[in-house]
Amino acid sequence: EPEVTQTPSHQVTQMGQEVILRCVPISNHLYFYWYRQILGQKVEFLVSFYNNEISEKSEIFDDQFSVERPDGSNFTLKIRSTKLEDSAMYFCASSDAGGGAFFGQGTRLTVV
Amino acid sequence: AQSVTQLDSQVPVFEEAPVELRCNYSSSVSVYLFWYVQYPNQGLQLLLKYLSGSTLVESINGFEAEFNKSQTSFHLRKPSVHISDTAEYFCAVSEGSSASKIIFGSGTRLSIRP
Repeated sequence: EPEVTQTPSHQVTQMGQEVILRCVPISNHLYFYWYRQILGQKVEFLVSFYNNEISEKSEIFDDQFSVERPDGSNFTLKIRSTKLEDSAMYFCASSDAGGGAFFGQGTRLTVV
Repeated sequence: AQSVTQLDSQVPVFEEAPVELRCNYSSSVSVYLFWYVQYPNQGLQLLLKYLSGSTLVESINGFEAEFNKSQTSFHLRKPSVHISDTAEYFCAVSEGSSASKIIFGSGTRLSIRP
């Protein structure tokens, strides 16, 4: 069964450093998303991406965040200068036109 | 804008007992509704979804949910739970369009006692 894959599974970084979280969406999906889940809290929407551009973003997705689809298979989330409060589980998701998104296993980002 | 309320943060039940996890949503437009499950230390898995048509939807592992438009609810039920159902369950909503973001509830932790 096709699945969304994310790498790495765990990333530790120093405050102020840049991180790139990588995702390979399901191959025939056209809509891509990033969400995050701070430990013990709800899953929060960050950004949606379609047709090579951002279609919607939340207030969390400020200038420190960016997304890119550098080739036909990868979808990345970059945090330019990480803060302690960026520590969270980051989930990539993709969907087709049918409604409902499929999520990856997540990347646990720890900022120290 | 859509929102989701999960009324119970934790639901403890005995194995083989029935369970209902409650979910209410708010939206001014037509919606899609979802239940996602998160097993310990794992990602989010789509359990079931309502897009249109029959208001009762089922998953492959015995869960079902019923869309009730008048009560704006989408409660999840299972007639007999198993230890392996222990997980966090998230109700979610999106606008009735494929590209819309999904908004999650705060989750309900289902713990099964032997």
